[in-house]
Amino acid sequence: DAGVIQSPRHEVTEMGQEVTLRCKPISGHDYLFWYRQTMMRGLELLIYFNNNVPIDDSGMPEDRFSAKMPNASFSTLKIQPSEPRDSAVYFCASSLSMGWNDEQYFGPGTRLTVT
Amino acid sequence: EDQVTQSPEALRLQEGESSSLNCSYTVSGLRGLFWYRQDPGKGPEFLFTLYSAGEEKEKERLKATLTKKESFLHITAPKPEDSATYLCAVQGLTGGGNKLTFGTGTQLKVEL
Repeated sequence: DAGVIQSPRHEVTEMGQEVTLRCKPISGHDYLFWYRQTMMRGLELLIYFNNNVPIDDSGMPEDRFSAKMPNASFSTLKIQPSEPRDSAVYFCASSLSMGWNDEQYFGPGTRLTVT
Repeated sequence: EDQVTQSPEALRLQEGESSSLNCSYTVSGLRGLFWYRQDPGKGPEFLFTLYSAGEEKEKERLKATLTKKESFLHITAPKPEDSATYLCAVQGLTGGGNKLTFGTGTQLKVEL
């Protein structure tokens, strides 16, 4: 398996623009997670899905952020409008649903810079 | 709310100089404690899961231990290729599903 795939790997955009990050989880994994990583706050969970359904979005910072999972092999995280404080590395991860103790497999991340 | 604190923030070792990284946690009920390794420019890579106090797991030069309040990642005779950021995360009973709360990590540098 190719692992979790994220695109783009790098994104530079201007404040106010819409940004869409994409993720393809590992085939057969039922859980999908979106994280944001910054030097100050470390790795923070934004939202996660189970069988394409959003389960917990309490980590989404504000209404400018939205996430969708239209099918088992694709998810998007959208920021509209983007702001400089959104600059971070965004990771997507997936895991199996064999139990509550399964490790999460992370993608390579998308480095977002908002100027 | 689950909380994880890792120390030290950064650690520099000479090759062969053993040491330990600390992960202190508070959680309403622990389902699991996870250790990940993260190399620059990459996503975290899973190392271990510990479920109950007293449990230990080993992988090559790494050994993870768990008490009711903290976990240690012991590194024995480290090599330069062990240089990375090591992240600790907890999964609590109130989190639901597979939700993890991460610490900010310990950045390890092993020098020749």
